Amino acid sequence: EADIYQTPRYLVIGTGKKITLECSQTMGHDKMYWYQQDPGMELHLIHYSYGVNSTEKGDLSSESTVSRIRTEHFPLTLESARPSHTSQYLCASSPLWTGHSYEQYFGPGTRLTVT
Amino acid sequence: AQSVAQPEDQVNVAEGNPLTVKCTYSVSGNPYLFWYVQYPNRGLQFLLKYITGDNLVKGSYGFEAEFNKSQTSFHLKKPSALVSDSALYFCAVRVNQAGTALIFGKGTTLSVSS
Repeated sequence: EADIYQTPRYLVIGTGKKITLECSQTMGHDKMYWYQQDPGMELHLIHYSYGVNSTEKGDLSSESTVSRIRTEHFPLTLESARPSHTSQYLCASSPLWTGHSYEQYFGPGTRLTVT
Repeated sequence: AQSVAQPEDQVNVAEGNPLTVKCTYSVSGNPYLFWYVQYPNRGLQFLLKYITGDNLVKGSYGFEAEFNKSQTSFHLKKPSALVSDSALYFCAVRVNQAGTALIFGKGTTLSVSS
């Protein structure tokens, strides 16, 4: 079944640790996105990609980095986690060209807590 | 600057009553408008979209939304609310197909009481 997956769903980690949040989609979408969302708040775009080897920063400044080596995989990495990184991270994807269909498909999210 | 506003942090309705969740936008160019719903500890689920054509669009779970260009609004509606509709609702806009991503409103919590 075509879907978008995020792991882990929940992560509690200490300050200074390096972490990678995984996002994979089996829908064959070219575009992928990372959003940051504080509980019950709006989403802010932090990274996006139009395809393999394409990555761009979003509207919200972030200390994280991303890579896009394979179409289906778009991991997000924090080299040194800090309490200010505590948030929910949502991954999404969409086709590059879809005619009249422009919606994005979201993964379940990773809730990160940095202690 | 492009923006989306959801003026109500919370909307409370009784089950069976009609509901409206408000959204206004500010963009240059033709807007592509979306509504998403988020249940606790879940990702966002697509509800409906307006791209072009009929101003009244129908979506999932009995929801519909009305695009009003003169008022720059895209309010979400449902004729008869269910308790299971209680969730966080986001309005979003994208200016054109080549745009980077969606711009989201702050979200409105819908609470439906039995």
